[in-house]
Amino acid sequence: AQKITQTQPGMFVQEKEAVTLDCTYDTSDPSYGLFWYKQPSSGEMIFLIYQGSYDQQNATEGRYSLNFQKARKSANLVISASQLGDSAMYFCAMREAYSSNTGKLIFGQGTTLQVKP
Amino acid sequence: NAGVMQNPRHLVRRRGQEARLRCSPMKGHSHVYWYRQLPEEGLKFMVYLQKENIIDESGMPKERFSAEFPKEGPSILRIQQVVRGDSAAYFCASSPGVRQETQYFGPGTRLLVL
Repeated sequence: AQKITQTQPGMFVQEKEAVTLDCTYDTSDPSYGLFWYKQPSSGEMIFLIYQGSYDQQNATEGRYSLNFQKARKSANLVISASQLGDSAMYFCAMREAYSSNTGKLIFGQGTTLQVKP
Repeated sequence: NAGVMQNPRHLVRRRGQEARLRCSPMKGHSHVYWYRQLPEEGLKFMVYLQKENIIDESGMPKERFSAEFPKEGPSILRIQQVVRGDSAAYFCASSPGVRQETQYFGPGTRLLVL
């Protein structure tokens, strides 16, 4: 079974608008972490935001926020005021604290976001 | 503070040759992870190392692949007798700890096997 599911292979958004990228996860660990990474066309992986399973509040980092709904096992990334430079592939990832105590990340398939001028 | 460094950025090998990929973690980071990204796919975990120790190699193919992280110097991912299916982007990530720490990625090495 897929541990991380990103159901949107591709998304379009108009510049300056907000966009939500979906991510659902599957784990039986009581403690886990959720991450979002951005991969522009140049290929590097850029860390965006982290949410711990016990965090009471949704994580925010500048224009990025994570809509964490624990009961639904979803961790959607919200990008506000989209910019042309946001065009990239976005990956959701999970780290399980107990099933894998080595800290390895499990990645989804990614969502390609294109920002239109 | 330099980020994670990987070299070479691009590597071309013919079938049967060896590929050596290097990763220098961020300063102060003693945990190194290697991931592989096949075309149009997400990253897949390969191996996790600390200095001089392989902690988890559950994602490594059983043959031809090996990794090390010596006391001095970078971490090395070695692929012997490469085949076309090894063509991929190989990413190294480092973190200062294991449980609660964010992993920071290097720029990746793009391996092309002809």
